[in-house]
Amino acid sequence: DQQVKQNSPSLSVQEGRISILNCDYTNSMFDYFLWYKKYPAEGPTFLISISSIKDKNEDGRFTVFLNKSAKHLSLHIVPSQPGDSAVYFCAATGTDSNYQLIWGAGTKLIIKP
Amino acid sequence: KAGVTQTPRYLIKTRGQQVTLSCSPISGHRSVSWYQQTPGQGLQFLFEYFSETQRNKGNFPGRFSGRQFSNSRSEMNVSTLELGDSALYLCASSLAGGGAKTQYFGPGTRLLVL
Repeated sequence: DQQVKQNSPSLSVQEGRISILNCDYTNSMFDYFLWYKKYPAEGPTFLISISSIKDKNEDGRFTVFLNKSAKHLSLHIVPSQPGDSAVYFCAATGTDSNYQLIWGAGTKLIIKP
Repeated sequence: KAGVTQTPRYLIKTRGQQVTLSCSPISGHRSVSWYQQTPGQGLQFLFEYFSETQRNKGNFPGRFSGRQFSNSRSEMNVSTLELGDSALYLCASSLAGGGAKTQYFGPGTRLLVL
């Protein structure tokens, strides 16, 4: 049972435009959500997180939106830059999972020049 | 503050052998989690250790085991290696469960089983 789903394996965006990465979850007990970025042959790097008490969190070019009723979160990158090309993972956690991070399968973002 | 370190970075083994990977968490972090990543796959959770005790475990066979020492350093062992064990093994540390949920990853150990 996949509790965290990233339905787009890949996404291609023009440099300078907005990149929107989506993530859906099924467990209503999740109360904390994170986005990580991963380059090949490296460990994932923490990007941004959001608590379930908020619906938006912003950090520079990165904004995460949380829609609890739809069990959906999205990561917006504006403007997209070539260095943003990477695989993006969303993860969720909560008391129900004993605070173990539950990961999506990742979305490969390609920024075209 | 130094980040998460993993040793070795690269490893080549043959089928049937065993391997031990090491992870040193960020200073002050007490939780260490291990993940396996194979090409085209997301992060597959292996196990998590906190205060020398395994707190969570993923769906991997018993050939995969781990431990954590009193200084929070952790080791992962894979016995009787199979070709399918070739992967990037990632270690992540966090302060603890509860309020500190963000995990910080090391660079990984690339294991190739021939």
